[in-house]
Amino acid sequence: DAGVTQSPTHLIKTRGQQVTLRCSPISGHKSVSWYQQVLGQGPQFIFQYYEKEERGRGNFPDRFSARQFPNYSSELNVNALLLGDSALYLCASSGLLNLGGNTIYFGEGSWLTVV
Amino acid sequence: RKEVEQDPGPFNVPEGATVAFNCTYSNSASQSFFWYRQDCRKEPKLLMSVYSSGNEDGRFTAQLNRASQYISLLIRDSKLSDSATYLCVVNPLLFSSGSARQLTFGSGTQLTVLP
Repeated sequence: DAGVTQSPTHLIKTRGQQVTLRCSPISGHKSVSWYQQVLGQGPQFIFQYYEKEERGRGNFPDRFSARQFPNYSSELNVNALLLGDSALYLCASSGLLNLGGNTIYFGEGSWLTVV
Repeated sequence: RKEVEQDPGPFNVPEGATVAFNCTYSNSASQSFFWYRQDCRKEPKLLMSVYSSGNEDGRFTAQLNRASQYISLLIRDSKLSDSATYLCVVNPLLFSSGSARQLTFGSGTQLTVLP
């Protein structure tokens, strides 16, 4: 079975550009969350989507946006990139709320470098 | 004050040693607790959930003290393969809540097991 897949795995952008990161959850999972992990820190929650609706948002500026598609895949968009947006962006997938316990599965992440 | 605080380490221990990591959290309403393991430049992976009664998985023992808002992880008989960053994770919501799975991560404790 395929795990959580993210693309691209690595990318370099310049300040002011826009980036779109993509995530496909584990088959059957309806919840997707996005996290940002800056070097030396733990992941920070950005967004959670469940059944195509935003269910939570972390303390990130409006330059960050996301959406979930009917097939439960998701995109994270970041506009007007800043140097500080350089990080590992992790997508996490989880199943039905009362099925499979509380396990959340992370993808391998997208490494974003802003120069 | 950070929501989840961990000693960043690094902890450098010889093979076979016992090592303990501690974590405190600030939100007394937190409902679920975990330890995740993250290898260098990889995604976090669930190591174990943490329960008030304490739980053990092989060489790993986790404890939760709700009164003190304190979580611990004990690793016995350390192996070289245990070298990683250990992330303390807290979720303010119950597993069965109808809403977000928003995890709050500590910054991680780095462990290196030496031959």
